[in-house]
Order: sequence, then structure tokens, then C-alpha cells
Amino acid sequence: NAGVTQTPKFQVLKTGQSMTLQCAQDMNHEYMSWYRQDPGMGLRLIHYSVGAGITDQGEVPNGYNVSRSTTEDFPLRLLSAAPSQTSVYFCASRTLGSNIQYFGAGTRLSVL
Amino acid sequence: EDKVVQSPLSLVVHEGDTVTLNCSYEVTNFRSLLWYKQEKKAPTFLFMLTSSGIEKKSGRLSSILDKKELFSILNITATQTGDSAIYLCAVDDSGGSNYKLTFGKGTLLTVNP
Repeated sequence: NAGVTQTPKFQVLKTGQSMTLQCAQDMNHEYMSWYRQDPGMGLRLIHYSVGAGITDQGEVPNGYNVSRSTTEDFPLRLLSAAPSQTSVYFCASRTLGSNIQYFGAGTRLSVL
Repeated sequence: EDKVVQSPLSLVVHEGDTVTLNCSYEVTNFRSLLWYKQEKKAPTFLFMLTSSGIEKKSGRLSSILDKKELFSILNITATQTGDSAIYLCAVDDSGGSNYKLTFGKGTLLTVNP
């Protein structure tokens, strides 16, 4: 039972570098989302998607891009990393008929 | 302005104690409130509450919602060291098809032996 799979688990970037955080789910969930978690801030929504080809911004979208070409995959792109993007990133998915989201194990990102 | 406020932000207890974690919310189109437990990695689902006054229970954990007073509590009885985690409260305030969860900052619970 893979569920929601995120890669990589850890990443260190230099300021200005770009990278893509990968997220894949095998539950045929329509809804996928990306959150960041910072100390004392809880989970904040970055971007979400309700299906292939449809994405929308969440609470903190600046500096991040997403696309949804398939139901299974929802990558998060950092085009020019900044130290303020140092955080733990979680991908989550659910069916549109349910309020319960399932989370991946997270990616810990450090931007120096 | 915080829409979902959890208290306390951190709590240290001894094994066997009973704890109550609080979550208050202020949203316009309430649909549901969810509790998650987060240990080292991903948050895992505990309860979803949609109706007032109906207690959800799972082993030593229970939760109840008060939609009139806009809060929920999560109770843990006879705590164990394995209960040490961050407990997250989240509210779905979309009121329609545009589902979005707003999370509180979490309560860090530490259970000492």
C-alpha cells in the first residue's frame, strides 16, 4: 500500500537554484495539495488541484509552481530557491467525496 | 487573523495522566473539523466531526464538537509515551465544492514515563 509518496526526503539547495519536489499517489484521488510546515505556524496550503489539468493557489503560493498532467502526479517546482523556503513540505490527497486527506511522509528542504 | 486556534501550544504530562486539547474556530461556511496526529513524519487522521454533541471515540482518544460555541476538544485518557506527538486541528470552511482545510498551529504533547 504505497499511498502518497514524496521524493526526495531531504534536500539542500543554494539560493537561486531550482528543483522539483515529486508527489505521487496510487489511490486514484482527484484532489491533491501541497503544504509547508514551519515551526509554530502549522500547515499552510501552497497549491492544490481538483483534477488533471486544474490547479489553484492556496494561502502561500508565491515562489512555487505546480502542474497536474496526470491524476497520479502533482510536482511542486521552486524556480529560484530562497532561504525563506526552508521548510518541511507535505503532499496530500483525497477523493472529492471525502474530507479526509492522506499525507505523504514529507520533504525536508534547506535553502542556504 | 487566525481562523483556527489551538491551545495549549505545548503540554508536558506524565504517563497515566488525562489530557484535553482545545481547538476553537471562526469560519463562515463550516463543513467539518478534523483532528490529526503527527509524530515524526506525516500527519495521520484521527477523527472527523460534523455534528454537535456527538462524541467520536477510538480507544483512549475521544473528541467532541460544539458548533454553537465553535470549538472542539480532543481527550486522551491514561496517556502513554507513544501519545507524544503534535496534534493538529483543521477546519474545512469551504461550504461547497472548493474544499480547503485551514490548520491550527498544533499542540505539542510530551508524555514522560
